[in-house]
Order: sequence, then C-alpha cells, then structure tokens
Amino acid sequence: GENVEQHPSTLSVQEGDSAVIKCTYSDSASNYFPWYKQELGKGPQLIIDIRSNVGEKKDQRIAVTLNKTAKHFSLHITETQPEDSAVYFCAARKLKAAGNKLTFGGGTRVLVKP
Amino acid sequence: DAGVTQSPTHLIKTRGQQVTLRCSPKSGHDTVSWYQQALGQGPQFIFQYYEEEERQRGNFPDRFSGHQFPNYSSELNVNALLLGDSALYLCASSLASARGYGYTFGSGTRLTVV
Repeated sequence: GENVEQHPSTLSVQEGDSAVIKCTYSDSASNYFPWYKQELGKGPQLIIDIRSNVGEKKDQRIAVTLNKTAKHFSLHITETQPEDSAVYFCAARKLKAAGNKLTFGGGTRVLVKP
Repeated sequence: DAGVTQSPTHLIKTRGQQVTLRCSPKSGHDTVSWYQQALGQGPQFIFQYYEEEERQRGNFPDRFSGHQFPNYSSELNVNALLLGDSALYLCASSLASARGYGYTFGSGTRLTVV
C-alpha cells in the first residue's frame, strides 16, 4: 500500500521567515496530494491541495510543489505569522470512483516565534 | 451550514469494554470515513461507508466495526478495548460524486482506555 514520509517532524521559525515541509510517497498511482492544518483540539483542515497533472499551486502565502518523477511534494509558507503555528499533515490518495482513502504523513509541528 | 459533528467529544473506558462513537456528516455529504489518530501521529484510515455499506477498509482488526444510517450518519464501534485503542477518532465526510474532493473532518472523539 501507499506510504507517506514527512520531514521535518518539528520546525521552529521566526515570524516573517519562510517554512518548508517535505513529503515523499511510494505509490506512483497516487494522483492527489492535500495538505492539512490541525490546531489543538480540532480536526484537520484542508489548506491547499494539488493534483498530479499540476507542478505547482499557490494560494496567497501558501504554495505546494509536486515532483512526480521523484515522488516528492512540498508545502511552502511565506511571511509566517504566529497563527500559522499548528501541526501540518501531508497526504496522498488515488482519485477513483469508488473509495477515496487518504494516507497521511506523520505530521510537522510548526512553531512561529514572534 | 453545520460541518461534521462528532459525539461524544471525550470518553474514558476500561479495557475489555465496548464503545460506540457517532458522526453526523456535513449537510449534502453522503460518504463517511473514519480515522484513528494516535498521539503525535498522522491519522490512519479505518474504513469508509457509502450507501450504508462498508466500501473500503484499512488495516484494522474486526474489533472495529461500523454502520451508516439512511440519513448518512455513522457509528464506529470498538469491542474488547485495548490500551492501544486510546486515540483521537476522526470522522470525515464527502460527496461520492465529487470523487473525494471536499473531504471535511470533524473535531474528533478523544477515547482514553484505562
């Protein structure tokens, strides 16, 4: 089955700096890669996603890049703010008509220091 | 528009007991997936229900079972609880025709087995 590895497990950045989280996946058939933010006491919230037919996607301060050949994808957060502090998860899935199981990475705890 | 609702929010059970967790999907969604999130780890897929049937299952023993009702709400049952079943149990809903896009998580049920 699919396996998703995520690095680093913790990341501390100064407010205003950039943060980068990297993930690798094992199943070349995976074609959808969402990123989730989880705050304390809450469920994961989708912040951005990318499909395998796209190499990069941006949404304000957040961007995701995908390298299908290397089976890598990364989350980039620019101009970090204290409210960006949370645990971030990458995930991978095969889009198909029946079933849409997500395989998650182990998570990255991001701390933005003011 | 209510999102995914899970109950109870917290639960303490004794080893060997049975537990039932409940999930109401987001309005308009017809598919419910359950995930187990151990402390400090990413969510792990348990199973998914659509049209009142289990459509896909992860690597969990038969002690984990579920049900989906005609109104799309769902229950997760765990029998013969073990200490290792202590975790945050997340419910996610989606619309089958959207092929998994719009996956929305609830805030989870924190289960502690003592």
